[in-house]
Amino acid sequence: AQTVTQSQPEMSVQEAETVTLSCTYDTSESDYYLFWYKQPPSRQMILVIRQEAYKQQNATENRFSVNFQKAAKSFSLKISDSQLGDAAMYFCAYRNRPSGSRLTFGEGTQLTVNP
Amino acid sequence: DGGITQSPKYLFRKEGQNVTLSCEQNLNHDAMYWYRQDPGQGLRLIYYSQIVNDFQKGDIAEGYSVSREKKESFPLTVTSAQKNPTAFYLCASTLAGRSYNEQFFGPGTRLTVL
Repeated sequence: AQTVTQSQPEMSVQEAETVTLSCTYDTSESDYYLFWYKQPPSRQMILVIRQEAYKQQNATENRFSVNFQKAAKSFSLKISDSQLGDAAMYFCAYRNRPSGSRLTFGEGTQLTVNP
Repeated sequence: DGGITQSPKYLFRKEGQNVTLSCEQNLNHDAMYWYRQDPGQGLRLIYYSQIVNDFQKGDIAEGYSVSREKKESFPLTVTSAQKNPTAFYLCASTLAGRSYNEQFFGPGTRLTVL
């Protein structure tokens, strides 16, 4: 079974600064997807970014980028130019390749953005 | 507008009662999921269904039941056998297939046992 671990329960960052959230996972599969989801106080889950395991290039979405290290089974999220609206719980998640497969989530990292 | 709806937003249950949480989607998605979220924890999978009239247990299925009679609907029943049902429940759906498809989430139902 796959597992996902987020070792930072809480993180804080100053507005306009950069912060990196860590995630490690364990799997015996070679083809899979990794995701970062954001859950603001409204509790609506929002997809931030995704990475396909067979792609070497790290995914980027505007101010959000990942550092995907497949051999190390590491998948960190970097948020640049942090904004107050980035404050939320962030979850790392893993999924096997077939689209109907389940997601396995980490425990989450609560990000605070200080003005 | 396409999306996933969950009702009710808040639900209160007396001990010993069964309650049913509704999840409906109009995205024509094949697969649907139920997750449970406890304070300070990640989401844990309760049940999922990849096709009508079929579903599989997730990691914490005990005390829960589901049905999938229609593609659009995947209701979750919390039975009296679930000893600690107070939690936030999220429903999700996605297109099935080999290629990438994102899971979309509903707004959630907060269940409280009185």
